Amino acid sequence: AAGVIQSPRHLIKEKRETATLKCYPIPRHDTVYWYQQGPGQDPQFLISFYEKMQSDKGSIPDRFSAQQFSDYHSELNMSSLELGDSALYFCASSLGQVSGNNEQFFGPGTRLTVL
Amino acid sequence: AQSVTQLGSHVSVSEGALVLLRCNYSSSVPPYLFWYVQYPNQGLQLLLKYTSAATLVKGINGFEAEFKKSETSFHLTKPSAHMSDAAEYFCAVRGFTNFGNEKLTFGTGTRLTIIP
Repeated sequence: AAGVIQSPRHLIKEKRETATLKCYPIPRHDTVYWYQQGPGQDPQFLISFYEKMQSDKGSIPDRFSAQQFSDYHSELNMSSLELGDSALYFCASSLGQVSGNNEQFFGPGTRLTVL
Repeated sequence: AQSVTQLGSHVSVSEGALVLLRCNYSSSVPPYLFWYVQYPNQGLQLLLKYTSAATLVKGINGFEAEFKKSETSFHLTKPSAHMSDAAEYFCAVRGFTNFGNEKLTFGTGTRLTIIP
């Protein structure tokens, strides 16, 4: 079965550079979530989209922005990168916001290293 | 607000022994609870979930968890540990953002080590 696809899998950037992470949800899934997992930390919710509209923001810095496109894929844009942005960034997708069987399927993550 | 607390950041068990990973939750609404496993350099994989149906939930790889409302717990167990179970395990609870949308709130994780 198709899973959540994230690209790139690994990314190395310098401080103050920009990075773009991409997420392709499971087909027919209309909700995308972004999480950030720092070294040795638990994943923290960053932002989510439902039907191409931003649902809500969590602990996402103002330097970060994201959007969901017409084909439901999402991109996380990160500017003025800082050393502390080094982390594993997960994307998850689900079918709608309906309670009960709303399960988030996670992608393999993009490991961002800021030097 | 919803939160989970995982007791023990590191757990070591011998191969063949019982695995018990502890998770306690706090939720202002009936909780939906999840256990995820993360192998090194990989993404999060759902082991099992509780969504207010049966209190004993069976998941993949022989894991199960029991929802105990009186104890606000959702501990993960496996009768006999395998070497392949070595990984990081996260307990999570469904929460809601300020706009009422769903999100997952994770515990800090428990690293399970299997001793040969």
